[in-house]
Amino acid sequence: EPEVTQTPSHQVTQMGQEVILRCVPISNHLYFYWYRQILGQKVEFLVSFYNNEISEKSEIFDDQFSVERPDGSNFTLKIRSTKLEDSAMYFCASSEGQGQIMNYGYTFGSGTRLTVV
Amino acid sequence: SQKIEQNSEALNIQEGKTATLTCNYTNYSPAYLQWYRQDPGRGPVFLLLIRENEKEKRKERLKVTFDTTLKQSLFHITASQPADSATYLCALEGTPLVFGKGTRLSVIA
Repeated sequence: EPEVTQTPSHQVTQMGQEVILRCVPISNHLYFYWYRQILGQKVEFLVSFYNNEISEKSEIFDDQFSVERPDGSNFTLKIRSTKLEDSAMYFCASSEGQGQIMNYGYTFGSGTRLTVV
Repeated sequence: SQKIEQNSEALNIQEGKTATLTCNYTNYSPAYLQWYRQDPGRGPVFLLLIRENEKEKRKERLKVTFDTTLKQSLFHITASQPADSATYLCALEGTPLVFGKGTRLSVIA
């Protein structure tokens, strides 16, 4: 069964450093997403990406965050200057459709646990 | 803005019984609703999608109902097993999907 692959599985970084989280979505999916989950809290939307551009973003996704699909297969999330409160599990997801044309759910990766110290 | 409530943070049931989890929502009329399973330290896994014109949907031991008048979905696991222990999330149709906080189900042998 196709999978969404995320690397690394764990990342520890110093406050103020830049991190790049990587994802390989399912190849025939058209919509890509980043969500995050702070320990014990709900899965929160960050950004969605379609047709090589951001289609939606949340209030969390401020100027410190950026996304890129550099080579047609990878999908990356960059945090420019990490803060302690960025510590969370970051999930990449992809889907065939979106909104009312969905027939199946999102496929999520296993996540990257980011710890900012 | 839309609000989703999964009204139990945790639910403990005996093996073999039926688990029933509730998802309520306000300020929205979604065209569909989805249910996911999440194990500790893992990403959510899609289980079922039910549309507004479907009253009920089944998949093996899982059953989901959708009442657009009550603005509620019920998620049932029949003949529950310890392996069903996980957090179950409901998600409302939208661009993007919006998730509830989840209900942590523990099935006790």
